[in-house]
Amino acid sequence: SQTIHQWPATLVQPVGSPLSLECTVEGTSNPNLYWYRQAAGRGLQLLFYSVGIGQISSEVPQNLSASRPQDRQFILSSKKLLLSDSGFYLCAWTPETHSGNTIYFGEGSWLTVV
Amino acid sequence: GQSLEQPSEVTAVEGAIVQINCTYQTSGFYGLSWYQQHDGGAPTFLSYNGLDGLEETGRFSSFLSRSDSYGYLLLQELQMKDSASYFCAAPTGRRALTFGSGTRLQVQP
Repeated sequence: SQTIHQWPATLVQPVGSPLSLECTVEGTSNPNLYWYRQAAGRGLQLLFYSVGIGQISSEVPQNLSASRPQDRQFILSSKKLLLSDSGFYLCAWTPETHSGNTIYFGEGSWLTVV
Repeated sequence: GQSLEQPSEVTAVEGAIVQINCTYQTSGFYGLSWYQQHDGGAPTFLSYNGLDGLEETGRFSSFLSRSDSYGYLLLQELQMKDSASYFCAAPTGRRALTFGSGTRLQVQP
C-alpha cells in the first residue's frame, strides 16, 4: 500500500531564517506531488505541484520554492521566512494517471514564524 | 480557474441530519469531491461525484447537479465525532485540486 510522510511535524522559526520541509511517498512510482498551505481556520491553498522529477509548477508567487530531486521526494524551501509564512503545510500525492478526484495528504507540518 | 463557495459554519445536534452546500464556478468541470478534516489533522477523502445524482457511502451521501453548478454533502445520524471541517474540491484540469474555504460542523449533544 502507498504511504506518505512529511517532516518535521512542528517547527518554530524566526523571521528571516531558512525553511526546509520534506515529504516522501512510498509504494508507488511517478506520483503527482503537491504542497498546500492552510492558514488557521482557512481553506487549502495550492502552492506547488510536480508531475515528475525536476518539474515544478508554482501556483502562487511567494518567497517559497519547491524541488523534486527524486521521484518520490518533494521538498518545500525558503531562504528567508516571513511572518505571513506561518501555517499548516500539507504535502499530498495522486497516482500518475489519476482523474483528479482523490488526493492523499501527509500528516502536515505546523510552521510558526516568530 | 476554479472557485468554490460553502458556508463557514453549521451547527446540528447528535442524531440529526445536516446538509453542507457547495456552489462552484469553473472553466471546466471534472467532478466534485468532499474531504473531512479534524482539528490538527490532515484532510481525508469522503466522497466524489463525477455525474449528476446522489452517491451514498454509509452515513454520508453527496449530491451533484452540474446544470446548477451545485453540490452538497449530507451527513445522517450525526455523531459527536463528525465535528470537523468539511471541504468541497474540484480538479483544476491541471492535475491539482482547488478547495473551498471549508465548513466547520459543530455537533452538539
